[in-house]
Amino acid sequence: IQMTQSPSSLSASVGDRVTITCQAPQDIGNFLNWYQQKAGEAPKLLVYDASNLEVGVPSRFSGSGSGSEFTFTITSVQPEDFATYYCQHYHYLPPGISFGQGTRLDLK
Amino acid sequence: QVQLVESGGGVVQPGRSLRLSCAASGFIFTSYSMHWVRQAPGKGLEWVAVISDDGNYKYYADSVKGRFTISRDKSKNTLFLQMDSLAGEDTAVYYCARASYGHYGGVAWITDVWGQGTTVIVSS
Repeated sequence: IQMTQSPSSLSASVGDRVTITCQAPQDIGNFLNWYQQKAGEAPKLLVYDASNLEVGVPSRFSGSGSGSEFTFTITSVQPEDFATYYCQHYHYLPPGISFGQGTRLDLK
Repeated sequence: QVQLVESGGGVVQPGRSLRLSCAASGFIFTSYSMHWVRQAPGKGLEWVAVISDDGNYKYYADSVKGRFTISRDKSKNTLFLQMDSLAGEDTAVYYCARASYGHYGGVAWITDVWGQGTTVIVSS
Protein backbone atom coordinates (compact mmCIF):
# COMPACT_ATOMS: atom_id res chain seq x y z
CA ILE A 1 0.00 0.00 0.00
CA GLN A 2 1.59 3.24 -1.19
CA MET A 3 1.25 6.13 1.22
CA THR A 4 1.75 9.55 -0.37
CA GLN A 5 3.27 12.08 1.99
CA SER A 6 3.75 15.77 1.16
CA PRO A 7 5.68 17.91 1.02
CA SER A 8 8.97 16.03 0.81
CA SER A 9 10.73 18.97 2.42
CA LEU A 10 9.68 22.04 4.32
CA SER A 11 11.50 25.10 5.62
CA ALA A 12 10.22 26.91 8.67
CA SER A 13 11.24 29.41 11.32
CA VAL A 14 10.95 28.89 15.05
CA GLY A 15 7.37 29.66 16.04
CA ASP A 16 5.86 28.81 12.66
CA ARG A 17 2.91 26.52 12.22
CA VAL A 18 3.63 23.63 9.85
CA THR A 19 1.40 20.99 8.33
CA ILE A 20 2.24 17.70 6.66
CA THR A 21 -0.26 15.56 4.81
CA CYS A 22 -0.46 11.85 4.13
CA GLN A 23 -2.80 10.27 1.59
CA ALA A 24 -3.83 6.64 1.32
CA PRO A 25 -5.05 5.04 -1.93
CA GLN A 26 -8.13 3.72 -0.15
CA ASP A 27 -10.06 4.08 3.08
CA ILE A 28 -7.73 2.99 5.89
CA GLY A 29 -9.90 4.08 8.78
CA ASN A 30 -7.67 5.64 11.42
CA PHE A 31 -4.78 3.16 11.12
CA LEU A 32 -2.25 5.93 10.65
CA ASN A 33 0.68 6.94 12.85
CA TRP A 34 3.27 9.72 12.77
CA TYR A 35 6.95 9.41 13.67
CA GLN A 36 9.80 11.87 14.09
CA GLN A 37 13.36 10.90 13.21
CA LYS A 38 16.35 13.07 13.98
CA ALA A 39 19.61 12.55 12.16
CA GLY A 40 21.45 9.48 13.40
CA GLU A 41 18.65 8.48 15.74
CA ALA A 42 15.84 5.95 15.77
CA PRO A 43 12.30 7.05 14.93
CA LYS A 44 10.07 8.25 17.75
CA LEU A 45 6.31 7.71 17.89
CA LEU A 46 4.41 11.01 18.18
CA VAL A 47 0.81 10.30 17.17
CA TYR A 48 -0.99 6.97 16.84
CA ASP A 49 -4.30 6.01 15.30
CA ALA A 50 -4.48 9.35 13.48
CA SER A 51 -5.08 11.65 16.42
CA ASN A 52 -3.86 10.16 19.70
CA LEU A 53 -0.83 11.88 21.17
CA GLU A 54 1.73 9.45 22.55
CA VAL A 55 2.52 9.83 26.25
CA GLY A 56 5.17 12.46 26.87
CA VAL A 57 4.85 14.13 23.48
CA PRO A 58 4.35 17.91 23.65
CA SER A 59 0.89 19.21 22.85
CA ARG A 60 2.17 21.40 20.00
CA PHE A 61 2.11 18.19 17.95
CA SER A 62 -1.23 16.91 16.69
CA GLY A 63 -2.76 14.64 14.08
CA SER A 64 -6.13 14.53 12.41
CA GLY A 65 -8.03 12.83 9.63
CA SER A 66 -9.59 9.52 8.78
CA GLY A 67 -10.35 7.48 5.70
CA SER A 68 -7.73 8.46 3.12
CA GLU A 69 -6.59 11.95 4.13
CA PHE A 70 -4.50 12.70 7.19
CA THR A 71 -2.78 15.78 8.57
CA PHE A 72 0.07 16.26 11.03
CA THR A 73 0.56 19.71 12.55
CA ILE A 74 3.15 21.44 14.70
CA THR A 75 1.49 24.59 16.01
CA SER A 76 4.69 26.42 16.98
CA VAL A 77 7.90 24.87 15.73
CA GLN A 78 10.66 24.66 18.33
CA PRO A 79 14.41 24.30 17.64
CA GLU A 80 14.33 20.63 18.63
CA ASP A 81 11.61 19.88 16.07
CA PHE A 82 13.83 20.11 13.01
CA ALA A 83 13.84 16.50 11.84
CA THR A 84 12.25 14.16 9.33
CA TYR A 85 8.64 13.10 9.85
CA TYR A 86 7.05 9.91 8.55
CA CYS A 87 3.48 8.76 8.34
CA GLN A 88 2.95 5.04 8.82
CA HIS A 89 -0.04 2.87 7.97
CA TYR A 90 -0.46 -0.57 9.49
CA HIS A 91 -2.68 -3.05 7.70
CA TYR A 92 -3.79 -6.64 7.89
CA LEU A 93 -4.75 -7.38 4.31
CA PRO A 94 -1.99 -7.97 3.47
CA PRO A 95 -0.37 -7.87 6.92
CA GLY A 96 2.30 -5.25 7.18
CA ILE A 97 3.32 -1.65 7.56
CA SER A 98 3.71 1.02 4.88
CA PHE A 99 5.62 4.24 5.47
CA GLY A 100 5.27 7.53 3.67
CA GLN A 101 8.36 8.88 1.93
CA GLY A 102 9.11 11.30 4.75
CA THR A 103 9.08 15.09 5.16
CA ARG A 104 12.29 16.83 6.07
CA LEU A 105 11.69 19.92 8.19
CA ASP A 106 14.61 22.32 8.28
CA LEU A 107 15.35 25.80 9.46
CA LYS A 108 14.49 28.63 7.07
CA GLN B 1 14.57 1.62 31.90
CA VAL B 2 12.98 0.22 28.77
CA GLN B 3 15.73 -0.56 26.30
CA LEU B 4 16.38 -2.40 23.05
CA VAL B 5 19.95 -3.03 21.92
CA GLU B 6 20.65 -4.45 18.48
CA SER B 7 23.83 -6.28 17.52
CA GLY B 8 25.18 -8.56 14.83
CA GLY B 9 25.53 -6.13 11.95
CA GLY B 10 28.58 -5.96 9.77
CA VAL B 11 29.93 -6.31 6.26
CA VAL B 12 28.89 -9.47 4.42
CA GLN B 13 29.29 -10.68 0.85
CA PRO B 14 26.28 -11.05 -1.45
CA GLY B 15 24.63 -14.43 -1.09
CA ARG B 16 25.88 -14.96 2.45
CA SER B 17 23.95 -14.97 5.74
CA LEU B 18 23.87 -12.86 8.88
CA ARG B 19 21.91 -13.05 12.13
CA LEU B 20 20.88 -9.94 13.98
CA SER B 21 19.99 -9.88 17.67
CA CYS B 22 17.98 -7.44 19.75
CA ALA B 23 18.32 -7.64 23.53
CA ALA B 24 15.31 -6.33 25.43
CA SER B 25 15.31 -5.06 29.00
CA GLY B 26 13.13 -3.04 31.35
CA PHE B 27 9.82 -4.57 30.29
CA ILE B 28 8.07 -7.92 30.10
CA PHE B 29 9.40 -9.17 26.78
CA THR B 30 6.80 -11.92 26.41
CA SER B 31 3.94 -9.41 26.50
CA TYR B 32 4.86 -7.54 23.31
CA SER B 33 4.97 -8.09 19.60
CA MET B 34 8.34 -7.19 18.12
CA HIS B 35 9.26 -5.74 14.72
CA TRP B 36 12.28 -5.24 12.51
CA VAL B 37 12.40 -2.07 10.41
CA ARG B 38 15.27 -1.04 8.16
CA GLN B 39 16.55 2.14 6.55
CA ALA B 40 18.85 2.13 3.56
CA PRO B 41 21.49 4.90 3.46
CA GLY B 42 19.81 8.24 2.84
CA LYS B 43 16.43 6.60 2.34
CA GLY B 44 13.16 6.22 4.21
CA LEU B 45 11.92 3.57 6.58
CA GLU B 46 10.96 0.08 5.40
CA TRP B 47 9.16 -2.43 7.54
CA VAL B 48 10.75 -5.91 7.47
CA ALA B 49 8.95 -8.35 9.78
CA VAL B 50 6.90 -8.81 12.94
CA ILE B 51 6.49 -11.60 15.46
CA SER B 52 3.69 -11.92 18.01
CA ASP B 53 4.26 -11.93 21.75
CA ASP B 54 4.02 -15.72 21.90
CA GLY B 55 5.89 -16.32 18.64
CA ASN B 56 2.92 -17.96 16.96
CA TYR B 57 2.35 -15.27 14.33
CA LYS B 58 4.99 -13.99 11.95
CA TYR B 59 4.58 -11.67 8.97
CA TYR B 60 7.14 -10.46 6.44
CA ALA B 61 7.53 -7.77 3.83
CA ASP B 62 7.45 -9.15 0.30
CA SER B 63 11.02 -7.94 -0.25
CA VAL B 64 12.39 -10.36 2.37
CA LYS B 65 9.85 -13.19 2.37
CA GLY B 66 11.56 -16.55 1.97
CA ARG B 67 15.01 -15.10 2.77
CA PHE B 68 14.63 -13.63 6.27
CA THR B 69 13.29 -15.36 9.41
CA ILE B 70 12.19 -13.59 12.56
CA SER B 71 12.28 -15.42 15.89
CA ARG B 72 12.47 -14.78 19.60
CA ASP B 73 13.90 -16.48 22.69
CA LYS B 74 11.88 -15.71 25.79
CA SER B 75 14.51 -17.21 28.09
CA LYS B 76 17.04 -14.66 26.83
CA ASN B 77 14.64 -11.74 26.23
CA THR B 78 16.08 -11.55 22.74
CA LEU B 79 14.66 -11.02 19.26
CA PHE B 80 16.46 -12.35 16.18
CA LEU B 81 16.50 -11.79 12.46
CA GLN B 82 18.14 -14.49 10.39
CA MET B 83 19.01 -13.03 7.00
CA ASP B 84 19.94 -15.43 4.18
CA SER B 85 20.77 -14.88 0.52
CA LEU B 86 21.70 -11.28 1.21
CA ALA B 87 21.85 -8.79 -1.64
CA GLY B 88 23.05 -5.21 -2.05
CA GLU B 89 19.56 -3.85 -1.57
CA ASP B 90 19.56 -5.30 1.95
CA THR B 91 22.24 -2.78 2.96
CA ALA B 92 20.64 -0.70 5.71
CA VAL B 93 20.46 0.18 9.35
CA TYR B 94 18.23 -2.42 10.99
CA TYR B 95 16.10 -1.37 13.93
CA CYS B 96 14.16 -3.58 16.30
CA ALA B 97 11.03 -2.09 17.82
CA ARG B 98 8.48 -3.01 20.44
CA ALA B 99 4.79 -2.77 19.58
CA SER B 100 2.25 -1.90 22.25
CA TYR B 101 -0.94 -0.90 20.43
CA GLY B 102 -2.91 -1.66 17.32
CA HIS B 103 -3.65 -5.33 17.76
CA TYR B 104 -4.74 -6.99 14.55
CA GLY B 105 -4.18 -10.46 13.17
CA GLY B 106 -2.53 -11.76 16.31
CA VAL B 107 0.13 -9.06 16.55
CA ALA B 108 0.47 -5.47 17.66
CA TRP B 109 1.44 -2.99 14.98
CA ILE B 110 2.12 0.38 16.62
CA THR B 111 5.78 0.57 17.65
CA ASP B 112 6.52 2.75 20.65
CA VAL B 113 10.09 1.78 21.64
CA TRP B 114 12.99 1.45 19.19
CA GLY B 115 16.59 0.38 19.47
CA GLN B 116 19.49 2.46 18.17
CA GLY B 117 19.98 0.20 15.14
CA THR B 118 22.73 -2.01 13.74
CA THR B 119 24.29 -1.51 10.31
CA VAL B 120 24.38 -4.22 7.66
CA ILE B 121 26.48 -3.68 4.54
CA VAL B 122 26.25 -6.22 1.76
CA SER B 123 29.23 -5.85 -0.51
CA SER B 124 31.82 -7.95 -2.26
